Amino acid sequence: QVQLLQSGPGLVKPSQTLSLTCVISGDSVSTNSAAWLWFRQSPSRGLEWLGRTFYRSRWFNDYALFVKSRISINTDTSKNQFSLQLTSVTPEDAAVYYCARGVAVPGHPTSYFDAWGQGSLVTVSS
Amino acid sequence: SYVLSQPPSVSVAPGQTATITCGASYIGSKSVHWYQQRPGQAPVLVVYDDNDRPSGIPERFSGSNSGNTATLTITRVEVGDEADYYCQVWHSNSDYTNVVFGGGTKLTVL
Repeated sequence: QVQLLQSGPGLVKPSQTLSLTCVISGDSVSTNSAAWLWFRQSPSRGLEWLGRTFYRSRWFNDYALFVKSRISINTDTSKNQFSLQLTSVTPEDAAVYYCARGVAVPGHPTSYFDAWGQGSLVTVSS
Repeated sequence: SYVLSQPPSVSVAPGQTATITCGASYIGSKSVHWYQQRPGQAPVLVVYDDNDRPSGIPERFSGSNSGNTATLTITRVEVGDEADYYCQVWHSNSDYTNVVFGGGTKLTVL
């Protein structure tokens, strides 16, 4: 059974970089049958997809348009984990952040999300 | 942008059937997935690919999808089913790919 364990600071200052890590157990970050994603959730904006990374002979990343200029998702295969970095944060970035596994289906690198991290509440304040 | 519309709330008595809709243009041509989220917890997948259930999800949960409406049906509703429910699809065009969630429906078990 796949488990995802998130870690990272709960408080980030405006204009600084939000960094979160998601450690995977029960699967491999390099698997060809899944992708690894980040989401966030806030009362004002609901559930939002931020981006994903997946390996299909090489690494692929793609990001939601609204954060594309500020986001980076990286992997560490030696630690079987992936991480989120979001630069230049503002109070609008305050949310609960989730990592998740996306199951691949024929023709699509990601379909539904069958495992989620526990969530990380991130506050943006000086 | 592609918008999924859900009713904000649905109320049902224990033992009855709850129906939660997710509306969007030609959603019947997409694969729709449903998540349950209890307060303070992460979402949990309850239906995928319109009408399949992950292992461990009761048969009381089922889905359908046709035309402009996808539906999550929960039969013999229990108090423990009280939660927020979200529909989800992937939407893409020549410029981008995006995950789209509905706004969520709060299921209240009276």
